[in-house]
Amino acid sequence: GAVVSQHPSWVICKSGTSVKIECRSLDFQATTMFWYRQFPKQSLMLMATSNEGSKATYEQGVEKDKFLINHASLTLSTLTVTSAHPEDSSFYICSAREYRGTYEQYFGPGTRLTVT
Amino acid sequence: DAKTTQPPSMDCAEGRAANLPCNHSTISGNEYVYWYRQIHSQGPQYIIHGLKNNETNEMASLIITEDRKSSTLILPHATLRDTAVYYCIAKIQGAQKLVFGQGTRLTINP
Repeated sequence: GAVVSQHPSWVICKSGTSVKIECRSLDFQATTMFWYRQFPKQSLMLMATSNEGSKATYEQGVEKDKFLINHASLTLSTLTVTSAHPEDSSFYICSAREYRGTYEQYFGPGTRLTVT
Repeated sequence: DAKTTQPPSMDCAEGRAANLPCNHSTISGNEYVYWYRQIHSQGPQYIIHGLKNNETNEMASLIITEDRKSSTLILPHATLRDTAVYYCIAKIQGAQKLVFGQGTRLTINP
């Protein structure tokens, strides 16, 4: 089946620094990837849609200058949290869309970000 | 996408069938019903999807009512590893976004 990986699986950073999270589709090409954020005991919230070779589309209320998304290849999308603050601490999950007669989404294992 | 309504939590005994309901009374004719689950601290896992016919795969069965206003996900022989949050989502196949509701927290008890 389709596999999506994320790196790192967890990261701790200091307030004010930036951190990059990678999302890779391992055995398929993904023209579209998605980034979600999940706070404890809450559901996943879609942050942005990332299309290869073009600018990401952000959901309402998500700061595009704070959450930089780059989708430079068909197998890699990155999310950079800039000038991180403790309130950015969350579980970040990416997904990638594959066409197999129909479009299906496959999710990565998530990245736990803690900002101290 | 049509709104879906699920009970916030359910319990089931290990080895029994777990039946998870979902209401989607405003679903449109071209929207599919998708089920995902999320085990604690992991990414969501696709389970099954269907349009109007009942579907079965190695993980579960999906029963959709004839009027398509509700559906039930059935895990035929629940195990402790099936403890997770289960999400029912109505989505046009091919639509980009997958929007998650609150889901049902299913606990399988020994």
